[in-house]
Amino acid sequence: ILNVEQSPQSLHVQEGDSTNFTCSFPSSNFYALHWYRWETAKSPEALFVMTLNGDEKKKGRISATLNTKEGYSYLYIKGSQPEDSATYLCAFIGGATNKLIFGTGTLLAVQP
Amino acid sequence: DAMVIQNPRYQVTQFGKPVTLSCSQTLNHNVMYWYQQKSSQAPKLLFHYYDKDFNNEADTPDNFQSRRPNTSFCFLDIRSPGLGDAAMYLCATSRLTGNEQYFGPGTRLTVT
Repeated sequence: ILNVEQSPQSLHVQEGDSTNFTCSFPSSNFYALHWYRWETAKSPEALFVMTLNGDEKKKGRISATLNTKEGYSYLYIKGSQPEDSATYLCAFIGGATNKLIFGTGTLLAVQP
Repeated sequence: DAMVIQNPRYQVTQFGKPVTLSCSQTLNHNVMYWYQQKSSQAPKLLFHYYDKDFNNEADTPDNFQSRRPNTSFCFLDIRSPGLGDAAMYLCATSRLTGNEQYFGPGTRLTVT
Protein backbone atom coordinates (compact mmCIF):
# COMPACT_ATOMS: atom_id res chain seq x y z
CA ILE A 1 0.00 0.00 0.00
CA LEU A 2 1.46 3.34 -1.04
CA ASN A 3 1.32 5.93 1.71
CA VAL A 4 1.62 9.69 1.33
CA GLU A 5 1.76 11.66 4.55
CA GLN A 6 1.58 15.38 5.13
CA SER A 7 2.45 17.34 8.21
CA PRO A 8 1.31 19.28 10.01
CA GLN A 9 -2.39 18.56 9.58
CA SER A 10 -3.19 22.24 10.16
CA LEU A 11 -1.28 25.43 10.71
CA HIS A 12 -2.29 28.89 11.92
CA VAL A 13 0.11 31.75 11.20
CA GLN A 14 0.04 35.51 11.27
CA GLU A 15 0.15 37.63 8.13
CA GLY A 16 3.77 38.16 7.17
CA ASP A 17 5.05 34.93 8.75
CA SER A 18 6.93 32.48 6.59
CA THR A 19 5.91 28.86 6.89
CA ASN A 20 6.64 25.44 5.50
CA PHE A 21 5.12 22.00 5.50
CA THR A 22 6.14 18.50 4.55
CA CYS A 23 5.03 15.73 2.24
CA SER A 24 6.50 12.23 2.70
CA PHE A 25 6.14 9.58 0.04
CA PRO A 26 7.63 6.21 -0.96
CA SER A 27 11.21 6.61 -2.13
CA SER A 28 11.08 3.69 -4.55
CA ASN A 29 9.73 3.74 -8.09
CA PHE A 30 9.27 7.51 -8.11
CA TYR A 31 7.73 9.18 -11.16
CA ALA A 32 6.46 12.61 -10.02
CA LEU A 33 5.25 14.65 -7.06
CA HIS A 34 2.44 17.18 -7.43
CA TRP A 35 1.42 20.03 -5.13
CA TYR A 36 -2.11 21.43 -5.29
CA ARG A 37 -3.75 24.35 -3.49
CA TRP A 38 -7.43 24.01 -2.62
CA GLU A 39 -9.23 27.11 -1.44
CA THR A 40 -12.62 26.74 0.18
CA ALA A 41 -15.48 26.56 -2.35
CA LYS A 42 -13.04 26.53 -5.29
CA SER A 43 -11.33 23.90 -7.41
CA PRO A 44 -8.00 22.45 -6.38
CA GLU A 45 -5.34 23.97 -8.61
CA ALA A 46 -1.89 22.71 -9.43
CA LEU A 47 1.05 24.59 -7.95
CA PHE A 48 3.97 22.42 -8.96
CA VAL A 49 4.77 19.20 -10.76
CA MET A 50 8.19 17.96 -9.68
CA THR A 51 10.05 15.10 -11.26
CA LEU A 52 13.79 15.41 -10.60
CA ASN A 53 15.64 14.76 -7.36
CA GLY A 54 16.92 18.07 -6.03
CA ASP A 55 14.34 20.05 -8.01
CA GLU A 56 13.36 23.40 -6.59
CA LYS A 57 10.41 25.24 -8.10
CA LYS A 58 9.08 28.70 -7.34
CA LYS A 59 5.86 30.59 -8.04
CA GLY A 60 5.80 34.03 -6.49
CA ARG A 61 6.16 33.64 -2.72
CA ILE A 62 5.66 29.88 -2.84
CA SER A 63 8.45 27.41 -3.49
CA ALA A 64 8.92 23.67 -3.22
CA THR A 65 11.85 21.29 -2.99
CA LEU A 66 12.09 17.60 -3.77
CA ASN A 67 14.22 14.77 -2.36
CA THR A 68 13.30 11.53 -4.10
CA LYS A 69 16.05 9.48 -2.46
CA GLU A 70 14.66 10.02 1.02
CA GLY A 71 11.06 10.52 -0.07
CA TYR A 72 10.08 14.02 0.97
CA SER A 73 9.10 17.39 -0.43
CA TYR A 74 8.83 20.71 1.37
CA LEU A 75 6.50 23.55 0.45
CA TYR A 76 7.53 27.01 1.61
CA ILE A 77 5.44 30.18 1.74
CA LYS A 78 7.34 33.40 2.32
CA GLY A 79 5.50 36.30 3.95
CA SER A 80 2.11 34.56 4.23
CA GLN A 81 -0.95 36.54 3.22
CA PRO A 82 -4.61 35.87 4.12
CA GLU A 83 -5.25 34.84 0.51
CA ASP A 84 -2.78 31.96 1.03
CA SER A 85 -5.31 30.35 3.37
CA ALA A 86 -6.18 27.00 1.80
CA THR A 87 -5.57 23.29 2.04
CA TYR A 88 -2.30 22.27 0.41
CA LEU A 89 -2.34 18.75 -1.00
CA CYS A 90 0.58 16.77 -2.26
CA ALA A 91 0.19 13.75 -4.51
CA PHE A 92 2.71 11.08 -5.46
CA ILE A 93 2.87 9.19 -8.72
CA GLY A 94 4.73 5.89 -8.71
CA GLY A 95 6.11 4.70 -12.03
CA ALA A 96 4.12 1.48 -11.96
CA THR A 97 0.70 3.05 -11.66
CA ASN A 98 0.82 6.55 -13.19
CA LYS A 99 -1.99 7.54 -10.77
CA LEU A 100 -2.01 10.27 -8.14
CA ILE A 101 -1.91 9.09 -4.54
CA PHE A 102 -2.90 12.04 -2.37
CA GLY A 103 -1.96 12.99 1.14
CA THR A 104 -4.61 14.28 3.52
CA GLY A 105 -3.41 17.86 3.12
CA THR A 106 -2.20 20.67 5.34
CA LEU A 107 -4.84 23.27 6.19
CA LEU A 108 -3.22 26.71 6.39
CA ALA A 109 -5.01 29.64 8.00
CA VAL A 110 -3.33 33.05 7.77
CA GLN A 111 -4.65 35.59 10.25
CA PRO A 112 -4.60 39.26 9.14
CA ASP B 1 -13.58 30.74 -17.50
CA ALA B 2 -14.28 27.45 -15.80
CA MET B 3 -12.51 24.60 -17.55
CA VAL B 4 -13.85 21.68 -15.51
CA ILE B 5 -17.45 22.08 -14.46
CA GLN B 6 -19.31 19.92 -12.01
CA ASN B 7 -23.04 19.90 -11.48
CA PRO B 8 -24.63 20.16 -9.10
CA ARG B 9 -22.33 21.65 -6.45
CA TYR B 10 -24.50 20.20 -3.70
CA GLN B 11 -26.65 17.11 -4.00
CA VAL B 12 -28.93 15.58 -1.43
CA THR B 13 -30.27 12.11 -2.06
CA GLN B 14 -32.11 9.53 -0.04
CA PHE B 15 -30.68 6.26 1.13
CA GLY B 16 -30.93 3.79 -1.76
CA LYS B 17 -32.11 6.35 -4.34
CA PRO B 18 -29.89 6.39 -7.46
CA VAL B 19 -28.01 9.61 -8.09
CA THR B 20 -25.90 10.90 -10.97
CA LEU B 21 -23.18 13.50 -10.73
CA SER B 22 -21.91 15.18 -13.87
CA CYS B 23 -18.65 16.65 -15.02
CA SER B 24 -17.78 18.48 -18.21
CA GLN B 25 -14.53 19.91 -19.54
CA THR B 26 -13.53 22.44 -22.16
CA LEU B 27 -9.86 21.41 -22.24
CA ASN B 28 -10.25 18.53 -24.68
CA HIS B 29 -8.18 16.37 -22.37
CA ASN B 30 -7.88 12.65 -22.95
CA VAL B 31 -8.20 11.58 -19.34
CA MET B 32 -11.05 12.18 -16.92
CA TYR B 33 -10.98 11.06 -13.27
CA TRP B 34 -13.44 10.72 -10.41
CA TYR B 35 -12.21 11.04 -6.82
CA GLN B 36 -14.06 10.60 -3.55
CA GLN B 37 -13.00 12.61 -0.55
CA LYS B 38 -14.48 11.93 2.86
CA SER B 39 -14.03 14.34 5.73
CA SER B 40 -10.37 14.76 6.81
CA GLN B 41 -9.24 12.06 4.38
CA ALA B 42 -7.18 12.15 1.23
CA PRO B 43 -8.99 12.24 -2.11
CA LYS B 44 -9.28 8.65 -3.31
CA LEU B 45 -9.37 7.71 -6.98
CA LEU B 46 -12.50 5.75 -7.91
CA PHE B 47 -11.85 5.30 -11.64
CA HIS B 48 -10.66 7.09 -14.72
CA TYR B 49 -11.21 7.12 -18.45
CA TYR B 50 -8.45 7.38 -20.99
CA ASP B 51 -10.52 8.35 -24.02
CA LYS B 52 -13.16 5.63 -24.01
CA ASP B 53 -11.11 3.13 -22.02
CA PHE B 54 -12.50 2.71 -18.54
CA ASN B 55 -10.09 1.96 -15.68
CA ASN B 56 -11.67 0.93 -12.41
CA GLU B 57 -9.75 0.93 -9.14
CA ALA B 58 -9.70 -2.48 -7.48
CA ASP B 59 -11.32 -1.25 -4.28
CA THR B 60 -14.07 0.86 -5.85
CA PRO B 61 -17.44 -0.61 -4.81
CA ASP B 62 -19.72 -2.01 -7.53
CA ASN B 63 -22.29 0.55 -6.43
CA PHE B 64 -20.25 3.17 -8.29
CA GLN B 65 -20.40 3.29 -12.07
CA SER B 66 -19.26 5.78 -14.65
CA ARG B 67 -20.07 6.78 -18.20
CA ARG B 68 -18.20 8.91 -20.68
CA PRO B 69 -20.44 9.45 -23.70
CA ASN B 70 -17.99 11.85 -25.39
CA THR B 71 -14.70 13.66 -24.76
CA SER B 72 -16.32 16.50 -22.86
CA PHE B 73 -18.63 14.74 -20.42
CA CYS B 74 -18.22 12.16 -17.71
CA PHE B 75 -20.85 10.94 -15.24
CA LEU B 76 -20.65 9.24 -11.88
CA ASP B 77 -23.64 7.04 -11.09
CA ILE B 78 -24.22 5.78 -7.56
CA ARG B 79 -26.80 3.03 -7.90
CA SER B 80 -27.89 2.67 -4.29
CA PRO B 81 -26.29 5.34 -2.10
CA GLY B 82 -25.59 4.42 1.47
CA LEU B 83 -24.89 6.76 4.36
CA GLY B 84 -21.20 5.95 3.96
CA ASP B 85 -21.20 7.39 0.45
CA ALA B 86 -21.69 10.93 1.72
CA ALA B 87 -18.57 12.75 0.58
CA MET B 88 -17.11 15.35 -1.75
CA TYR B 89 -16.80 14.00 -5.30
CA LEU B 90 -14.12 15.61 -7.42
CA CYS B 91 -13.78 15.35 -11.17
CA ALA B 92 -10.42 16.05 -12.79
CA THR B 93 -8.88 15.94 -16.24
CA SER B 94 -5.41 15.67 -17.66
CA ARG B 95 -3.96 15.53 -21.13
CA LEU B 96 -2.19 12.25 -20.37
CA THR B 97 -2.07 10.08 -17.26
CA GLY B 98 0.66 11.33 -14.94
CA ASN B 99 0.30 14.93 -16.12
CA GLU B 100 -0.90 17.84 -14.00
CA GLN B 101 -4.60 17.46 -13.29
CA TYR B 102 -7.28 20.12 -13.61
CA PHE B 103 -10.06 19.84 -11.08
CA GLY B 104 -13.66 20.87 -10.90
CA PRO B 105 -14.99 22.46 -7.71
CA GLY B 106 -16.55 19.19 -6.57
CA THR B 107 -20.03 18.01 -5.72
CA ARG B 108 -20.82 17.54 -2.05
CA LEU B 109 -23.18 14.60 -1.69
CA THR B 110 -25.40 14.20 1.34
CA VAL B 111 -27.33 10.97 1.89
CA THR B 112 -30.37 11.14 4.17
